[in-house]
Parts: sequence; C-alpha cells; structure tokens
Amino acid sequence: EAGVVQSPRYKIIEKKQPVAFWCNPISGHNTLYWYRQNLGQGPELLIRYENEEAVDDSQLPKDRFSAERLKGVDSTLKIQPAELGDSAVYLCASSFRTSQSRSYNEQFFGPGTRLTVL
Amino acid sequence: GNSVTQMEGPVTLSEEAFLTINCTYTATGYPSLFWYVQYPGEGLQLLLKATKADDKGSNKGFEATYRKETTSFHLEKGSVQVSDSAVYFCALEDGGATNKLIFGTGTLLAVQP
Repeated sequence: EAGVVQSPRYKIIEKKQPVAFWCNPISGHNTLYWYRQNLGQGPELLIRYENEEAVDDSQLPKDRFSAERLKGVDSTLKIQPAELGDSAVYLCASSFRTSQSRSYNEQFFGPGTRLTVL
Repeated sequence: GNSVTQMEGPVTLSEEAFLTINCTYTATGYPSLFWYVQYPGEGLQLLLKATKADDKGSNKGFEATYRKETTSFHLEKGSVQVSDSAVYFCALEDGGATNKLIFGTGTLLAVQP
C-alpha cells in the first residue's frame, strides 16, 4: 500500500515568489494535515481537513498561506509571496477518523517538502 | 498551553548501549502520549504510544511509561543498534480526542558500531 506522497521533495525559490506543495494521502483516509517543521524543531500543525472541510486552521498565516482539498482527497498548500522565514520542511499527514472517534487515530506522514527561500 | 520538552541531542552511543531519551510534558488533563521516529530521508513514523497513566507503550525493543506524577514519558531501549540512528520526537495529543499533536523539538540519536 502506498504511503502519503508529497511533491516536490525539494524547492528553492527567491523571496516574494509563489510556491505550492502537493499531497496525496493514503487511500481511504478522510483526515489530512499540513505541518511546518523549522530546522531543529518539531512539526507544528498549520491546518487540518476532515474530508473537504478545514476544521482547524488557527495556525495558518492567512495573509500569505492558503490551502485547499478539493474532493476530499489531494491537497495543495500555497505560499504567496514567500518570505525568508518560510524556509522549512512542510509535512503532510493523513489518518482515518470518524466523528465518533474518542481515541487517537494514527497519523501517517509523508517525507515532506524542503523549502529554501533565498 | 500544552507543551512537550525533550532532552537535547545529539545523543551518541555505541552499539548495544542502553538508551534513555527524556521527555516531560505540560498539559491540562491526561493527554495521550507518543514517540515518533524519523529515519533519514523518510517521514515520521509512530513508534509507540500510551493513552493513560501507568500505561507502558512498547515496540521494536523501545519502551516508555506514562508517569502522571512526574509528567514524564521517557524513551528507553536496553541495547541499541546502528539501525536505530534517527531523530526521535515526543508528542502529546492536544485537547483530548482531537487528533492534534504537539511535538517536542526532537532528539538526534547516532549509534556507532
């Protein structure tokens, strides 16, 4: 079974340019997460989707970041314009979760996209 | 808010040495606790978990016990191998049944033959 797929794996851009990251979750997983991992830090949640709905985007910097998950499967995270401080690894994860879930549903992570902003 | 504090790395050990990576947490209530591992070039993988006080999570020879009295979840392994070299992240589930994870900063483990 394929895991979470992310592309590109690496991206180098100049500041003020736009950039987009793509994620394909594990088949059947209805919940999708985007995390940002700064160098030497743990991942921090940016946004969580349940199916097509963004149910937690409180940590997403909405002035320059946007995300979408059309049809509740693939997702795209965009930054426009990028700033030097956006250099990080962007991780996508997925899980299967029902509204009645009262226990942790394991999140499966992709390998991430390493973004360098010059 | 809830947070996780991890022992700083890197930790360098010889093969077959005993491993401890310390993790303490601050949280309201009793969140589920996790250890994730990230091997070079790969995504994070769940290593083990514990959902309530005194639970012991274990996997691949690694163990961690949920200690409510010391708010700790230290990772241990009796005999490390070169293949255990990776970054280890302690995490907690924020807010109860939300599936939102809060991670520590990670600890790099390097095992030498």
